[in-house]
Amino acid sequence: QQQVKQSPQSLIVQKGGISIINCAYENTAFDYFPWYQQFPGKGPALLIAIRPDVSEKKEGRFTISFNKSAKQFSLHIMDSQPGDSATYFCAASIQGAQKLVFGQGTRLTINP
Amino acid sequence: NAGVMQNPRHLVRRRGQEARLRCSPMKGHSHVYWYRQLPEEGLKFMVYLQKENIIDESGMPKERFSAEFPKEGPSILRIQQVVRGDSAAYFCASSPTGLASGNTIYFGEGSWLTVV
Repeated sequence: QQQVKQSPQSLIVQKGGISIINCAYENTAFDYFPWYQQFPGKGPALLIAIRPDVSEKKEGRFTISFNKSAKQFSLHIMDSQPGDSATYFCAASIQGAQKLVFGQGTRLTINP
Repeated sequence: NAGVMQNPRHLVRRRGQEARLRCSPMKGHSHVYWYRQLPEEGLKFMVYLQKENIIDESGMPKERFSAEFPKEGPSILRIQQVVRGDSAAYFCASSPTGLASGNTIYFGEGSWLTVV
């Protein structure tokens, strides 16, 4: 119930393409869904986040799509660039709670 | 405004030794979190602290691990009698008023513990 399942484990996309990473959850009490980007040897950095009252949020080339009924959310990276190559983690937290539950991560490689 | 500062960045300990990891939160942040990342895995919550108080330690192993956030100074994650399975990256994060109040938490660059 506390899990967030992320797929795929790894993804290779050509430069300029769209990268799509998916996450699914079971616990309907989750109400905050951030995505983090992590480069090797660094800490996770918040990329974009969404709450369940909206179905989509866009910031630059990054978009979160949220499907409340399916209990799924996804990250879309438009016009993917080699500098986007990193590991991406989805996460979720329960209203009033102080902890994030992370997905297993997706290693994204953008080929030039 | 400096970010979340963690040290040491890399630490090697022999089995049975103690490891102490330090975290200075961002200026003005009084909420501190510790997460552990095992190789090729996502981050797992360990503990949440405010100044001088442990609020939630539900993710901490029952033995050998402890955390503190004193009135003065950094937060400390202490691992006694380390074993090879403790080898991981330990990330500290901080927040001004906490995740529950809608604030983002900001992660440090991590401390990489290797137990040999």
